[in-house]
Amino acid sequence: DAGVTQSPTHLIKTRGQQVTLRCSPKSGHDTVSWYQQALGQGPQFIFQYYEEEERQRGNFPDRFSGHQFPNYSSELNVNALLLGDSALYLCASSLAGRPGDEQFFGPGTRLTVL
Amino acid sequence: ELKVEQNPLFLSMQEGKNYTIYCNYSTTSDRLYWYRQDPGKSLESLFVLLSNGAVKQEGRLMASLDTKARLSTLHITAAVHDLSATYFCAVDINRNYGGSQGNLIFGKGTKLSVKP
Repeated sequence: DAGVTQSPTHLIKTRGQQVTLRCSPKSGHDTVSWYQQALGQGPQFIFQYYEEEERQRGNFPDRFSGHQFPNYSSELNVNALLLGDSALYLCASSLAGRPGDEQFFGPGTRLTVL
Repeated sequence: ELKVEQNPLFLSMQEGKNYTIYCNYSTTSDRLYWYRQDPGKSLESLFVLLSNGAVKQEGRLMASLDTKARLSTLHITAAVHDLSATYFCAVDINRNYGGSQGNLIFGKGTKLSVKP
């Protein structure tokens, strides 16, 4: 049973560019959440997708956008990259309607903005 | 603004010793999670605590939750080197979606180093 997968593993971009990160949830899961983890910090919630719609959003600017596909996989897009966007981006999946189930995290994508 | 505070942020222990990591949070929640993260790796789920007084144990780690005090603890018994990692607590504050998880608010993490 495959867990949460993310691609790419590492990415280097320059300021002003745009980036797309991808996530496939754990088999049987229908909800995908994205987190940003800066070095030495805890993860910060970006947004969550369910039934192909953004259901919740954290305190991130509109430069951060996403999408969920019918197969429940998801993309995170970041436009006009800033140096401060350098971080580990984590995708987590869960199953809606299951109180208390933990989110399963993927291995992450390390984004470096130069 | 919801805050989740862990202490200590850094912990250096000797093998065989016991210690407790504390997680305080500032809003009502009865769902608290503990995760482990090794350097350069993702988050591994350790415990899910869903009610006041919940206690869970796995090997040398035991977690508890006191929702009235808004406090969770992660107790380490007879530490071994393999426990060296960063430990995060996270609080689920959103209850609006059929009981599924809302967004998680994480503490800054406790970096644990166990030395021989």
